[in-house]
Amino acid sequence: GAGVSQSPRYKVAKRGQDVALRCDPISGHVSLFWYQQALGQGPEFLTYFQNEAQLDKSGLPSDRFFAERPEGSVSTLKIQRTQQEDSAVYLCASSLGGSSPLHFGNGTRLTVT
Amino acid sequence: DQQVKQNSPSLSVQEGRISILNCDYTNSMFDYFLWYKKYPAEGPTFLISISSIKDKNEDGRFTVFLNKSAKHLSLHIVPSQPGDSAVYFCAARGGGSQGNLIFGKGTKLSVKP
Repeated sequence: GAGVSQSPRYKVAKRGQDVALRCDPISGHVSLFWYQQALGQGPEFLTYFQNEAQLDKSGLPSDRFFAERPEGSVSTLKIQRTQQEDSAVYLCASSLGGSSPLHFGNGTRLTVT
Repeated sequence: DQQVKQNSPSLSVQEGRISILNCDYTNSMFDYFLWYKKYPAEGPTFLISISSIKDKNEDGRFTVFLNKSAKHLSLHIVPSQPGDSAVYFCAARGGGSQGNLIFGKGTKLSVKP
């Protein structure tokens, strides 16, 4: 069946460039999460949507990070003026909500040079 | 300060034997715990979960044990198979319905034939 789809799989950006990462959640999943995973670390929470509402953005590391989910389905994570420390795998996950498990996509590996 | 800790970065087990992966947490408000399995270049895949009101949950070869007084949980895999070789993440969810998870750093399990 269709899982969470993320694109692109790999992205190389020069320092200072803006990037946009896309997430297509599982159809019908109301909850959508973005996580950042640095090398050798576990995923770290960035932000959470319930339908189109961004209910928690406490994990976004700076105001250069922005996420949206305008129609309650596809979500985009945008990083402005990328820095080397932004290099990581960005994971998107969706769920039915409540205590339902999160289903992750394969992530986008961002490398900032 | 890490709220979910996996103190063993790696574990090596012989095929057919038991694998025991450990996880400690600090926040007594966590009400739900999950284990995820991750292969290289893929997103984490949900494996098994346990509510804080239980002390054991079993699913086939996988059993999760929760010791609330010690703030400790463990994942037992028996018998271990070479295909179980992956990184295992312990995750915890705080109280409420948001569903946001806090992950440990992971333990890399190698099952040798």
